[in-house]
Amino acid sequence: DIQLTQSPSFLSASVGDRVTITCRASQVFSSCLAWYQQKPGKAPKLLIYAASTLQGGVPSRFSGSGSGTEFTLTISSLQPEDFATYYCQQLNSYPHTFGGGTKVEIK
Amino acid sequence: EVQLVESGGGLVQPGGSLRLSCAASGFTLSNYWMHWVRQVPGKGLLWVSRINFDGTDTKYADSVKGRFTISRDNAKNTLYLQMNSLRAEDTAIYYCVRDVGTSIDGSWYKWFDPWGQGTLVTVSS
Repeated sequence: DIQLTQSPSFLSASVGDRVTITCRASQVFSSCLAWYQQKPGKAPKLLIYAASTLQGGVPSRFSGSGSGTEFTLTISSLQPEDFATYYCQQLNSYPHTFGGGTKVEIK
Repeated sequence: EVQLVESGGGLVQPGGSLRLSCAASGFTLSNYWMHWVRQVPGKGLLWVSRINFDGTDTKYADSVKGRFTISRDNAKNTLYLQMNSLRAEDTAIYYCVRDVGTSIDGSWYKWFDPWGQGTLVTVSS
């Protein structure tokens, strides 16, 4: 199984900050990686697929990059509505594992 | 609007059974693979199971293999998850999700979109 480790697991940031979340895989795989945003009491929402392709309707302040075993999600200028928990997921092989999540809170 | 709506969750005793349903609308269910993902409230996400277009191929997480069965009725636009021999550790919100994919530069990529709102399963005596 491919294990995904997200870091940090928690971060405190201010509106306007640039935020970077890292997702490290236990083995190399194709860039079949997605990022999701989840707000309290809601289902996850797709942000990015294929490691770097922005889902339609997602603000351009979100971006994804990476390959091999290291992938990143960047929010260029944090907005109030971005405070949430973010998860990476690999869809290269089964089981389609998720990272442990990164909770972004207001400083 | 593409939508997934789960139902069937509730309180069940350890060792009991429950069947979850997921009603799809706004798209043709038979054109997509489908999955179930679960989440213990306040914790992370765990992939549970996948079914192909016509139900002839399925996959399961090791933690539910032999106890859970995924199925689908494309004519009714509905996905199911039959859960037997339930344990306390199966307590979670269960989401159904659509498997979407595309080819980019000759490679196939996929992702989960949309997600249903989830249905809570509580296994407790």
